[in-house]
Amino acid sequence: AQKITQTQPGMFVQEKEAVTLDCTYDTSDQSYGLFWYKQPSSGEMIFLIYQGSYDEQNATEGRYSLNFQKARKSANLVISASQLGDSAMYFCAMREPYSGAGSYQLTFGKGTKLSVIP
Amino acid sequence: GAVVSQHPSRVICKSGTSVKIECRSLDFQATTMFWYRQFPKKSLMLMATSNEGSKATYEQGVEKDKFLINHASLTLSTLTVTSAHPEDSSFYICSARELSSDRTSPLHFGNGTRLTVT
Repeated sequence: AQKITQTQPGMFVQEKEAVTLDCTYDTSDQSYGLFWYKQPSSGEMIFLIYQGSYDEQNATEGRYSLNFQKARKSANLVISASQLGDSAMYFCAMREPYSGAGSYQLTFGKGTKLSVIP
Repeated sequence: GAVVSQHPSRVICKSGTSVKIECRSLDFQATTMFWYRQFPKKSLMLMATSNEGSKATYEQGVEKDKFLINHASLTLSTLTVTSAHPEDSSFYICSARELSSDRTSPLHFGNGTRLTVT
């Protein structure tokens, strides 16, 4: 079974509008971390935002916010006021187990390609 | 911020030859480095985890003798694709865990290497 599911292979958004990229995850651990990365066509992975499983507040980082619904095991990324430079692949990733050796690796979803339309 | 330099960014080699990819943490010590492989329009698949001074831990299905990983120092890990074949053509990307990081810290990624085997 997939650990990270991103159901939207591609998304389009009008410039200056907000967009939500979906991510659901599967884990039996109580302690875990969720990350979102952006990958432009050049290939580098850019860290956007982090949410810990015990964090009570939804994470925010500038125009990025995370809609974390623990009971539903979802961690959707919201990008507000989209810009042309936001066009890229977006990956949701999970870190688990949360302790012990090898605990820092990330498991990635299949990604969502976001295209911002001028 | 923490910078990971990956070199080369692109390489074309002939079938049967070996290729070495370097991953350096420029301004921090990386106790652990991860090597990922990414097929076109696909997710990042973890190949192996390398800890400085010890043997790499390979994921299931990854050939140890084909993908040689060396992590000789806290700032350098190398991936050598031995006897490369066209099916090894892919995008390889490394990431590093900062020595001083904790479980909430993101991994820092290199810019990736696009390998084409002819």
